[in-house]
Amino acid sequence: SQTIHQWPATLVQPVGSPLSLECTVEGTSNPNLYWYRQAAGRGLQLLFYSVGIGQISSEVPQNLSASRPQDRQFILSSKKLLLSDSGFYLCAWSGGGYSNQPQHFGDGTRLSIL
Amino acid sequence: AQSVTQLDSHVSVSEGTPVLLRCNYSSSYSPSLFWYVQHPNKGLQLLLKYTSAATLVKGINGFEAEFKKSETSFHLTKPSAHMSDAAEYFCVVSGDGSGNTGKLIFGQGTTLQVKP
Repeated sequence: SQTIHQWPATLVQPVGSPLSLECTVEGTSNPNLYWYRQAAGRGLQLLFYSVGIGQISSEVPQNLSASRPQDRQFILSSKKLLLSDSGFYLCAWSGGGYSNQPQHFGDGTRLSIL
Repeated sequence: AQSVTQLDSHVSVSEGTPVLLRCNYSSSYSPSLFWYVQHPNKGLQLLLKYTSAATLVKGINGFEAEFKKSETSFHLTKPSAHMSDAAEYFCVVSGDGSGNTGKLIFGQGTTLQVKP
């Protein structure tokens, strides 16, 4: 069966520090991958998605970037964190090549910027 | 363009009573629709999905939803609420038609409170 791993679960970082969040998927190949941010009490905002290795689409202009160095690995990064980057970050995957498949989510990373 | 509206931001029920969470959608093509549940500090879990087969969809934990094209609705129901059902619920519509990005459009969520 397929599983998705996301780490760390919680992270506290000072303003201006770098960031790297990692997400890996097991049990499937060529998935679509997604990064979301969820502000407190709010819905989900799609940040990036990827349909293949090295293919990244950004949904909103921001201080963050994403990379997909391997088929089932998706990394969210920042060179210098801002206070506004605080939030709950979720990684998800869906079956590649299909438009109407559900997405499956990791357990999320709670990021607090001090 | 696709969109989804959850009509209630907060719903409160007593344990053992029925649950109704309302969702309306807008889509320029035949959509796929989903309901997800999110417990505090957790990721989203898929409850059920509609993908143009039977209009009454049964999901996990006793939940079900009915796709009504004439009303553009996809309401989530459960006959009897349990304390463990207290969570945030998201109604979701597929977002990119015949494309392969798999993008989804999320509603703003409904918080379900279950009182003992």
